[in-house]
Amino acid sequence: SAVISQKPSRDICQRGTSLTIQCQVDSQVTMMFWYRQQPGQSLTLIATANQGSEATYESGFVIDKFPISRPNLTFSTLTVSNMSPEDSSIYLCSVKPRDYQETQYFGPGTRLLVL
Amino acid sequence: AQSVTQPDIHITVSEGASLELRCNYSYGATPYLFWYVQSPGQGLQLLLKYFSGDTLVQGIKGFEAEFKRSQSSFNLRKPSVHWSDAAEYFCAVGTTGGGNKLTFGTGTQLKVEL
Repeated sequence: SAVISQKPSRDICQRGTSLTIQCQVDSQVTMMFWYRQQPGQSLTLIATANQGSEATYESGFVIDKFPISRPNLTFSTLTVSNMSPEDSSIYLCSVKPRDYQETQYFGPGTRLLVL
Repeated sequence: AQSVTQPDIHITVSEGASLELRCNYSYGATPYLFWYVQSPGQGLQLLLKYFSGDTLVQGIKGFEAEFKRSQSSFNLRKPSVHWSDAAEYFCAVGTTGGGNKLTFGTGTQLKVEL
């Protein structure tokens, strides 16, 4: 498995502002993903963070709202832009360490509250 | 497209009692199946996974799950529940053939009575 850390662990933000969440892995991994978990709900995949190229977004998520970077094989950021209270969620980073392994491991999450 | 159903939103068991959490999936091929646990204020921890082979898989913390193709199920079991098992449990299905997407169920909240 991999050890994954996220910063910040939680934040309270004002509507209209943006927050960048960082995901750091202790080893190089093949793939990194970002998920959203809205209050009382399950996890929904936002996008796959591709190293050296644009992220691949799932239906319902757009780059202007959730820009993602992945400058190397151990680090990624997710920005939640122009936030509204509906963006209050837990945002989780996950990684797939190797191409031949289908298991994803999750970070501790970032708890975001938008006022 | 794949989907996962966890029919039980909440389950309460007494400490020491046995536990079974239900999971049904829909997927056109043999799926990759996972159970994750989320303790309050924590991220997701992998309990166990099924890719192929023996349909009864063992995981961490004394959990096991059985893949039943005929029933499209992957139920999670534990013979004796501990108070520390109180958490939310998510079943997930992953696409095969190199796909990466995990689709999660809505989760089952487990409460353990002392």
